Amino acid sequence: GQQLNQSPQSMFIQEGEDVSMNCTSSSIFNTWLWYKQDPGEGPVLLIALYKAGELTSNGRLTAQFGTTRKDSFLNISASIPSDVGIYFCAGQPRDSNYQLIWGAGTKLIIKP
Amino acid sequence: EADIYQTPRYLVIGTGKKITLECSQTMGHDKMYWYQQDPGMELHLIHYSYGVNSTEKGDLSSESTVSRIRTEHFPLTLESARPSHTSQYLCASSLAENIQYFGAGTRLSVL
Repeated sequence: GQQLNQSPQSMFIQEGEDVSMNCTSSSIFNTWLWYKQDPGEGPVLLIALYKAGELTSNGRLTAQFGTTRKDSFLNISASIPSDVGIYFCAGQPRDSNYQLIWGAGTKLIIKP
Repeated sequence: EADIYQTPRYLVIGTGKKITLECSQTMGHDKMYWYQQDPGMELHLIHYSYGVNSTEKGDLSSESTVSRIRTEHFPLTLESARPSHTSQYLCASSLAENIQYFGAGTRLSVL
C-alpha cells in the first residue's frame, strides 16, 4: 500500500529553537494535513493544505505543500514547552476515496 | 473544536469479555473511522463508514466489528477480548474536505 515517510522520528530541542519536520511520498497527494497529538488524547488538526506550493501559517507553525505534490513540511518557530507531543502528517492520495495515509509521527521533546 | 465523543476513556477488562466502544459525533459528518494506535506509534485504520448502513474494513486486520445505524453513532464491538487487543482506539469523522476530527480515544487494557 501507499506509505508516507515522515522524518525525523524524534527530536530533542532546546526551548526557543526552531523545529522542522517533513513527509514524503512516492505518490501525488491532493491534500496534506498536519496534526498534533498530546499523550492520552486524539490528534488535533494544526494545518490543512490543498494546493501545490501553498504556504500556510497557524501562529508559530508554518506548513507547505510541496510543489511536486509528493511532500510537505512543517516548521515550528521559537519552540515552547507546550509544543511537546507527536506530530503526524496525513495525506489524501489523488486516487483516494476520502481515506488518509498517515505518517509514523515525529516525537518532539524539549530538553530541560 | 470537534464535537466527537468516545466512551469510555479507559477500560480494563478480563479476557473473553464482550465490549463495545462508543463513538458519537454531532457535526452531521457522513464519514466515520476507527483507528488503532499503540502508545506513541502510528495510526492504523481498522474500520470506516461512508454513511448509514455502510461499513468497510481498513488496512489493519481487526477482530472487531462496527455498525452504522445512525449517522451520528459508530460503535465498535469486540466479541471476545484478548490481551492482544490492548491498545488505544481512536474514532474520527469527516466531511468532503477530508479533514478528520478525532475523539479523545479509548485506552483498552485486556488482562
